[in-house]
Amino acid sequence: GQNIDQPTEMTATEGAIVQINCTYQTSGFNGLFWYQQHAGEAPTFLSYNVLDGLEEKGRFSSFLSRSKGYSYLLLKELQMKDSASYLCAVMDSNYQLIWGAGTKLIIKP
Amino acid sequence: IAGITQAPTSQILAAGRRMTLRCTQDMRHNAMYWYRQDLGLGLRLIHYSNTAGTTGKGEVPDGYSVSRANTDDFPLTLASAVPSQTSVYFCASSDSGTSTGELFFGEGSRLTVL
Repeated sequence: GQNIDQPTEMTATEGAIVQINCTYQTSGFNGLFWYQQHAGEAPTFLSYNVLDGLEEKGRFSSFLSRSKGYSYLLLKELQMKDSASYLCAVMDSNYQLIWGAGTKLIIKP
Repeated sequence: IAGITQAPTSQILAAGRRMTLRCTQDMRHNAMYWYRQDLGLGLRLIHYSNTAGTTGKGEVPDGYSVSRANTDDFPLTLASAVPSQTSVYFCASSDSGTSTGELFFGEGSRLTVL
């Protein structure tokens, strides 16, 4: 079966750095996505990786290793507004998105 | 620019009732999707439409139906609601021509079936 694993919850301190991991087992691979979802709101797109390596976008970076079935989202200089759930999703060989359950990130002052 | 609009934002209904969740987008995206989101689970695809006039079944289609009469609208109907359909429903769209396939989501419809 297809599976996306990510930690259920993480806690970090304002101003610090946090890494949210995602491992996947899917039928084929056509890209990995990270979305941010604030409580009670819609998910919003953060990043897309289809080749191995690091993609940097401001305070957020996303890394992919296809051989290891592994990605991480790195958040730097954490702000209180970064408190949200972070969803990892993989597009399989049929171009269908398989979603992880999300990681709830709690930022403490 | 509204993006994607869903209605209603919240609804409580009795089991056995028929319910239609509305979804409209103004981005002229070809592809549209309906997902449900339940605590502790990832988003699960109910139905999708790659273009107006076509629809397909997702991971959890039973008890739901959709139609795509035009590019902008993609309503989701529960013919006879059951308590297990209590969930938050998200409509989404994507421009299938972009390489990233980024999804744009509506604000969600919270449905409670009693």
